[in-house]
Amino acid sequence: DGGITQSPKYLFRKEGQNVTLSCEQNLNHDAMYWYRQDPGQGLRLIYYSQIVNDFQKGDIAEGYSVSREKKESFPLTVTSAQKNPTAFYLCASSIRDGFYEQYFGPGTRLTVT
Amino acid sequence: GIQVEQSPPDLILQEGANSTLRCNFSDSVNNLQWFHQNPWGQLINLFYIPSGTKQNGRLSATTVATERYSLLYISSSQTTDSGVYFCAVFNQAGTALIFGKGTTLSVSS
Repeated sequence: DGGITQSPKYLFRKEGQNVTLSCEQNLNHDAMYWYRQDPGQGLRLIYYSQIVNDFQKGDIAEGYSVSREKKESFPLTVTSAQKNPTAFYLCASSIRDGFYEQYFGPGTRLTVT
Repeated sequence: GIQVEQSPPDLILQEGANSTLRCNFSDSVNNLQWFHQNPWGQLINLFYIPSGTKQNGRLSATTVATERYSLLYISSSQTTDSGVYFCAVFNQAGTALIFGKGTTLSVSS
């Protein structure tokens, strides 16, 4: 089945630790995205990648980093510089960037204490 | 940037009732998506609709881009329709979706 997978589903970390969230897609999509959702809010864009080895900052990129070494994979690292890392993180992809329909993975709930 | 407002914020229905959810946006947009977020957090694509009307079973959506709004209609609601409904529009560059805060729907039997 084609789709987007994210792992782990739940993640707990101590303050000051970096953590990497996984996102994999087998849809053969060029573009991938990371969004953050806080309680009672809509999603906000962290980073996006239009093609392998290229990525751009979104609205709330501070304290996060990404890589795009393979078309299928777009991992997100939440660094210790992110002041409020506890949130629900969703990865998405689209066939390419530029107004094409985006599809979302099941998300990772990160709790930092 | 573009602002997206959804109304009502909360909606409580009896099973079988119909409802209309509204999405207003502050600037012209090239495309728009409606999503249903289930209790486990999964975002399910409902409609990808730049203009006009689309229907999928008991759900339909209408976007009037010139007047900067979109409507989602849910007919004969079921308990499985419960969750949060999001409207999202593309930014001017087409590189990201801008989400509203959602409408939380609760359907009771």
